[in-house]
Amino acid sequence: RKEVEQDPGPFNVPEGATVAFNCTYSNSASQSFFWYRQDCRKEPKLLMSVYSSGNEDGRFTAQLNRASQYISLLIRDSKLSDSATYLCVVNLRSSGNTGKLIFGQGTTLQVKP
Amino acid sequence: DAGVIQSPRHEVTEMGQEVTLRCKLISGHNSLFWYRQTMMRGLELLIYFNNNVPIDDSGMPEDRFSAKMPNASFSTLKIQPSEPRDSAVYFCASSPHERLAQARTDTQYFGPGTRLTVL
Repeated sequence: RKEVEQDPGPFNVPEGATVAFNCTYSNSASQSFFWYRQDCRKEPKLLMSVYSSGNEDGRFTAQLNRASQYISLLIRDSKLSDSATYLCVVNLRSSGNTGKLIFGQGTTLQVKP
Repeated sequence: DAGVIQSPRHEVTEMGQEVTLRCKLISGHNSLFWYRQTMMRGLELLIYFNNNVPIDDSGMPEDRFSAKMPNASFSTLKIQPSEPRDSAVYFCASSPHERLAQARTDTQYFGPGTRLTVL
């Protein structure tokens, strides 16, 4: 079983739609959680951190369910520029160190006009 | 402030040749990560350093791969000899020292990557 699992998609949605991505992780010792965005032939960039209480950044809402080991990302009013691959990421922090990030395979979103 | 710098951006080489990839960290960052990305396997962590010390190299595929951090701001990843299955995009990422104000030490900043093709 992969440590971080995502539906690869692609998700094809019209502009203005609301779309949700889900992700599960296998290691209950995971300490912190993120969504990264990767555009075609570019490097991954941090989109947002995910907090236990849930958090929102404009049109983006992230949720974490530690009991179910489940993370979600909701995009409202999707724009053409949201088209990208969204990577679910967990951090396995080791004592005294930064820890290492485990990346999911990514979910591809294509927003159509 | 400049981001993570990687060179070369593209490398095409023949099987059996030595390849050296380079990375310069963001100023003030003290953790360095090397990743490899392919369509089949996604983004894989190869090795990471904290304060110039290798912490976890369990992702390094085999002895043909080696990484060094000769100083606090620079790292190399070497493949010798290279093989066609090494073709991938290699990313370097850094994360900040906890002494940086408001730093999230678990946030990583990626370089633009080196696209390696081994023929």
